[in-house]
Amino acid sequence: AQSVTQLDSHVSVSEGTPVLLRCNYSSSYSPSLFWYVQHPNKGLQLLLKYTSAATLVKGINGFEAEFKKSETSFHLTKPSAHMSDAAEYFCVVTYTGGFKTIFGAGTRLFVKA
Amino acid sequence: EAQVTQNPRYLITVTGKKLTVTCSQNMNHEYMSWYRQDPGLGLRQIYYSMNVEVTDKGDVPEGYKVSRKEKRNFPLILESPSPNQTSLYFCASRPEPGQGLSPLHFGNGTRLTVT
Repeated sequence: AQSVTQLDSHVSVSEGTPVLLRCNYSSSYSPSLFWYVQHPNKGLQLLLKYTSAATLVKGINGFEAEFKKSETSFHLTKPSAHMSDAAEYFCVVTYTGGFKTIFGAGTRLFVKA
Repeated sequence: EAQVTQNPRYLITVTGKKLTVTCSQNMNHEYMSWYRQDPGLGLRQIYYSMNVEVTDKGDVPEGYKVSRKEKRNFPLILESPSPNQTSLYFCASRPEPGQGLSPLHFGNGTRLTVT
């Protein structure tokens, strides 16, 4: 079955240090991969998307993600965390056909001052 | 402003009392979908619709119904709500039904409590 695994349910970093949120997906050709962010009591906002144009994808607010087909991974990174980055992050996959969208369980990012 | 609008934002009801959560989008999107969000489980797809009068089950359709009579509206119906349907619900849309290349546009959510 198709699946998305976010390897950490919680990640805690200090302000100004790098962020790494990990995501693995079950193997399939032509996946479309997304990262969304959800701030408390808000809806989901698109951070970035991968649709086969380039393996390194840049998103909003300084985030980027690298698609690694050999590792079936799509990890999200940011060089320097900001307090406003504290939120829940979801890795999302849509496979060819695109009728079903599969969400990871989410990673809650805490940023310490 | 392009948006997906859900109503109500908060709803408390009792077991067995039928309810409808409305969802409307003003972007002329063909694809619409409903999700529920529960702690530790992420978002799970309830139903989706590829176009008017075309709907299909997602991963957790039991206890829910949907309809797509018009392109812009995709209501979620709970005929006989039960406490295990207490959750945060999101409606989303995107332009095209297939391929999944476009990101989803989400509503702000409906927090439902069934007592």
